[in-house]
Order: sequence, then C-alpha cells, then structure tokens
Amino acid sequence: DSGVTQTPKHLITATGQRVTLRCSPRSGDLSVYWYQQSLDQGLQFLIQYYNGEERAKGNILERFSAQQFPDLHSELNLSSLELGDSALYFCASSDRSGVGTGELFFGEGSRLTVL
Amino acid sequence: GQQVMQIPQYQHVQEGEDFTTYCNSSTTLSNIQWYKQRPGGHPVFLIQLVKSGEVKKQKRLTFQFGEAKKNSSLHITATQTTDVGTYFCAGGYQKVTFGTGTKLQVIP
Repeated sequence: DSGVTQTPKHLITATGQRVTLRCSPRSGDLSVYWYQQSLDQGLQFLIQYYNGEERAKGNILERFSAQQFPDLHSELNLSSLELGDSALYFCASSDRSGVGTGELFFGEGSRLTVL
Repeated sequence: GQQVMQIPQYQHVQEGEDFTTYCNSSTTLSNIQWYKQRPGGHPVFLIQLVKSGEVKKQKRLTFQFGEAKKNSSLHITATQTTDVGTYFCAGGYQKVTFGTGTKLQVIP
C-alpha cells in the first residue's frame, strides 16, 4: 500500500460526458502528479501541483483540468470525453517540490472506459 | 520537450538469463529514477541515481547513470519469474518524464 488513494477505481461513461477523478496523496506529501497510461503504453505526464499551486504541465488536453485543494487532495476533471480518453489515470505523490525530485508514490489508478 | 526513450521495447528471456534495459534522454537529467510496474499494477519506485557515472546495486539489479547524465541502464542478473513486468526510467525537474518502458517476460 503506497498510501496514495484514488477514486473511483473503475469508471464507465459515454462520449461527451464529464468525469472527476480524485486523489488523496500520502500523509505529508505536498506534491501531486497526474499521469495517463493508455493500454500497454507508457506513462504520459499530465500535470503537477505543489501545495495547491500548479508547478508543471505536460501535454494535457484543454478538455482536461485539475486542481489541488487546501487539504492537498487533487481532482482531475475530464470533459467532453472521447473514445481515445479511455485509459488508466494514475496519481502519484511526493514530498518534494521538484528540486531533486524524490520518489513518486503511485496510487492504484482509476480506469476510465469511454463508450 | 524532453524525450526519454528506452530499448528494447519488449524482451523475452529464459529464466536464469540476464536482462538489460537502456534509457536515453534527449536532455541532461538532474537525476534518474527507475520504476517497475507489474502486470495490472501501478509503478513502484526502485531506485534513484543522482551523480554522473553512479552505479548502485540492489541484490540482482544493477543500475548505472551515464557520465553525461543523459543515459542510464538497468541490468538484472539471473532473471526470475518474479522479475516479470515493465521497467520504466524517469527523469526531470518537476515535470517527471517517464521513458517508453521495457516489458520483460521471463519464460520458466
């Protein structure tokens, strides 16, 4: 158990819909990272937050947005969903802001299926 | 932007054989991390290398960071079925970019 909690574990929805994925980092970790992993593919970096502030952005679609709340949990919002958005979405947390990036602790992921 | 490539993409080995995966970055890295993802699982941290030319060992696993800090390798000696999974390298400052991964299959 990494200590990172992601909900929901599985989500099935239709094209055009909007979903929210939630992540609770390990106790004390201020950084949250979001990654997308399509079937048998690598991990695509989406976005990173540190203590509520956005610190780095990857190739995140405009239809996707995220935020980190004062209690440090984070949410990834995916809207106008397309079939190609079907993937495993991982959240990871770290106790560093990125300077000498520390170990990333991954949650078990949220599997999104868009029909 | 930064790109991190790994070769090979797939590797099938007989149990007991050695295995090596190579990681190459388009830019100099401040550090390199390695992760293992078991089938159906999430990535799990293995190690972090920081210094140029650094070599670290964990039992049968040997990790190297290149002198120019743009490449790295992971070598597994005498593979076991428990080594099955995908191995990723990762690097970057804040934007932690993962390599393309090497999927290892071990044939008993």
